[in-house]
Amino acid sequence: QTVVTQEPSLTVSPGGTVTLTCASSTGPVTSGYFPNWFQQKPGQAPRALIYSTTNKHSWTPARFSGSLLGGKAALTLSGVQPEDEAEYYCLLFYGGVQHYVFGPGTKLTVL
Amino acid sequence: QITLKESGPTLVKPTQTLTLTCTFSGFSLSTSAVGVGWIRQPPGKALEWLGVIYWDDDKRYTPSLKSRLTITMDTSKNQVVLTMTNMDPVDTATYYCAHFAYSHYDYYFDYWGQGTLVTVSS
Repeated sequence: QTVVTQEPSLTVSPGGTVTLTCASSTGPVTSGYFPNWFQQKPGQAPRALIYSTTNKHSWTPARFSGSLLGGKAALTLSGVQPEDEAEYYCLLFYGGVQHYVFGPGTKLTVL
Repeated sequence: QITLKESGPTLVKPTQTLTLTCTFSGFSLSTSAVGVGWIRQPPGKALEWLGVIYWDDDKRYTPSLKSRLTITMDTSKNQVVLTMTNMDPVDTATYYCAHFAYSHYDYYFDYWGQGTLVTVSS
């Protein structure tokens, strides 16, 4: 059973920087897992932010960036805004078995 | 502009079969390297990937639910149908469909439907 892990919760001050990570039970996350990141606010559908580790969608604010960090996928928010308070999910692609797994989500509080 | 919308019953009884339809616009499943995925989210819990159907009718399912899931498509109607058998109260969730695109270098779900809440109860 493949397990993806994320920080359960993080707190950041407005204007600050925070990094969320996404790890796989199978070993280091590489670009071959094509990490995707999503933001979800209460009562809303998820919104795609980052795909294939570093790529932004046309609607993704510039303050969001993706990378690989210490064997994990990472989402960094720089210059955090109050409206960034949300749940953030990563999604990894397991090519060998051709399926996808979401992480449990990170609840980001802006305080 | 890509849009997707889920439709189907809001309440099903235990042991019944759930059928949900995703009706989309702005793309065609006849186009290579696209697909439609299904994702669900129990109340207050995390997202769970269920499966995906690709433009060439290839399908993939999450291993834990593979025996209960079927995804089909009707390209003439721009619809994708999710069927889940033997429903149980633990399957109560908001079910989403999402547009999927891929290449040798990129895999992503970008556009999502609004979701539909399905409650399993007798």
